[in-house]
Amino acid sequence: EVQLVESGGGLVKPGESLRVSCAASGFSFNNAWMSWVRQAPGKGLEWVGRIKSKSSGGTEEYAAPVKGRFTISRDDSKDTLYLQMNSLKTEDTAVYYCSREKDCGGRSCSAYWGQGTLVTVSS
Amino acid sequence: DIQMTQSPSTLSASVGDRVTITCRASQSISTLLAWYQQRPGKVPKLLIYKASTLESGVPSRFSGSGSGTEFSLTISSLQPDDFATYYCQQYFSSSPFTFGQGTKLEI
Repeated sequence: EVQLVESGGGLVKPGESLRVSCAASGFSFNNAWMSWVRQAPGKGLEWVGRIKSKSSGGTEEYAAPVKGRFTISRDDSKDTLYLQMNSLKTEDTAVYYCSREKDCGGRSCSAYWGQGTLVTVSS
Repeated sequence: DIQMTQSPSTLSASVGDRVTITCRASQSISTLLAWYQQRPGKVPKLLIYKASTLESGVPSRFSGSGSGTEFSLTISSLQPDDFATYYCQQYFSSSPFTFGQGTKLEI
């Protein structure tokens, strides 16, 4: 069974940094393409970025609002995905979900989701 | 960026009703569209991908159609568990993988 467990959320001040993690189990993590999606309180879903498997080049892609501030990385030896968030802004306040992608007809889409971790940016 | 626009934003319906939610892309995305269901306080769940392929375990009352820029999600006979918010997402272009704004299906 695919399991994704996020951790590391919390309250930080604007301008500070935070790293959230996603521990994966139940599948071959090193072969998986992984994404982060966030959801501000009472709002819709917003794609944050993704990282491909190392065998697919390990490429990272980011949404414009976080590009240059957030970094997605992975430690395949620990089956763990990370999201390093720097220069946090109040508008980054959200529940952050990690997801495992799957082949959705030639391209990949998010098929399995963790429970999410809440990041609150406030002074 | 590819913009995704869902309509309506809110839909009121009753158990047993047939409902349709539409999603429009600002440019052609072929059939690279997914639908997600999010119940209150819960995690998003993949329902349909490639516009019309039902994810394993999803009831057959859910169906999807469309290609290019116009897509729809239909629930043939609403059940109590179906009252949730539904999102479409394009995965044609990863710059970025945009979601629609959501459609809240309520009683």
